[in-house]
Amino acid sequence: GENVEQHPSTLSVQEGDSAVIKCTYSDSASNYFPWYKQELGKGPQLIIDIRSNVGEKKDQRIAVTLNKTAKHFSLHITETQPEDSAVYFCAASRTDRGSTLGRLYFGRGTQLTVWP
Amino acid sequence: DAMVIQNPRYQVTQFGKPVTLSCSQTLNHNVMYWYQQKSSQAPKLLFHYYDKDFNNEADTPDNFQSRRPNTSFCFLDIRSPGLGDAAMYLCATRDRGRQPQHFGDGTRLSIL
Repeated sequence: GENVEQHPSTLSVQEGDSAVIKCTYSDSASNYFPWYKQELGKGPQLIIDIRSNVGEKKDQRIAVTLNKTAKHFSLHITETQPEDSAVYFCAASRTDRGSTLGRLYFGRGTQLTVWP
Repeated sequence: DAMVIQNPRYQVTQFGKPVTLSCSQTLNHNVMYWYQQKSSQAPKLLFHYYDKDFNNEADTPDNFQSRRPNTSFCFLDIRSPGLGDAAMYLCATRDRGRQPQHFGDGTRLSIL
């Protein structure tokens, strides 16, 4: 099965700095890569996702890059703010037919702390 | 507006006393998932429904059961909760053939 590794497990940055979280995956058939933000006491919320036919995607201060050859993808947050503090999970999935369609394989998470 | 709603947000039960957690969705999605999340860990998939087809993960304890009476509702039953079952339980939904999964805010289960 798929194995997703995520680094670092904790990340502290000063407000205004950039933050980068990296993930690797093992199954070359994975073709969908979402990033979720989980605040304390809440469920994971999708912040950005990327499909394997795209190398980069950006949404305001958040961007994701994907290197299919190396099987890794990264989350980039620029101009960080204290409200960005949360746990971030990367995940990998296959979007082919079958009952396991859409199953997410999560990384272990990164606790991001943004200091004012 | 909340699209995946879990009730209750906090549940306390006694060791060995059956408990039911509920999830409802307004998205009309075909697929529903139940996850268990322990502190500082990623969500762990327990089982999922693809329409009415139930798919159990191999390592989900027999203690955990699920029901999906209709598209909108799904229940997680824990027959005899042990101390190790204390966790956050997350429900998620997905539309067939599409991504992403949409998560509820979870139910925090405590065992006394």
